[in-house]
Amino acid sequence: EAQVTQNPRYLITVTGKKLTVTCSQNMNHEYMSWYRQDPGLGLRQIYYSMNVEVTDKGDVPEGYKVSRKEKRNFPLILESPSPNQTSLYFCASSSRSVGSPLHFGNGTRLTVT
Amino acid sequence: AQRVTQPEKLLSVFKGAPVELKCNYSYSGSPELFWYVQYSRQRLQLLLRHISRESIKGFTADLNKGETSFHLKKPFAQEEDSAMYYCALPHGNNRLAFGKGNQVVVIP
Repeated sequence: EAQVTQNPRYLITVTGKKLTVTCSQNMNHEYMSWYRQDPGLGLRQIYYSMNVEVTDKGDVPEGYKVSRKEKRNFPLILESPSPNQTSLYFCASSSRSVGSPLHFGNGTRLTVT
Repeated sequence: AQRVTQPEKLLSVFKGAPVELKCNYSYSGSPELFWYVQYSRQRLQLLLRHISRESIKGFTADLNKGETSFHLKKPFAQEEDSAMYYCALPHGNNRLAFGKGNQVVVIP
């Protein structure tokens, strides 16, 4: 089944403890992206990647890192999480770029205490 | 600069009544616009895109360049339409901007 898989679904951590949220897609998509969803703010783009080793900042990249070593994987790294990064995170992919429909993962609910 | 505006956060409608979700955008050039939907406990998914000019689940959306709008409409709301709806606009270097979303509640 074609899908985008994120792990974990839920994560509770403490301030400053490095964490990684994984994202994998099996559709051979070139474009991948991370979003955070917050009440009243909608979805905001954190980082995106046009292809392997090609990443760029979205609208809210501060405090996050990404990497794209393989086409299928696009992990989101929080080197030193802070409470304001408590949010619902979505990974998405598409065959070309944002002009193509995005396929979303199920989301990761992160709580930073 | 806000690129996509969805003015109403929550919209409650009775089953069988028409529903319209407003989306206004700011973009110079020919925009591509999308509506995404998130049903309860499901992942976000594409509902429709303006270049397709199709009706999905009874929903339609027409791009009005004069009014810079891409409102989503359905003549008769169903209970299964209760969901969160996002209007989205590609911009800049391969970025996709979403509006703040509309929560639709269809009352039986």
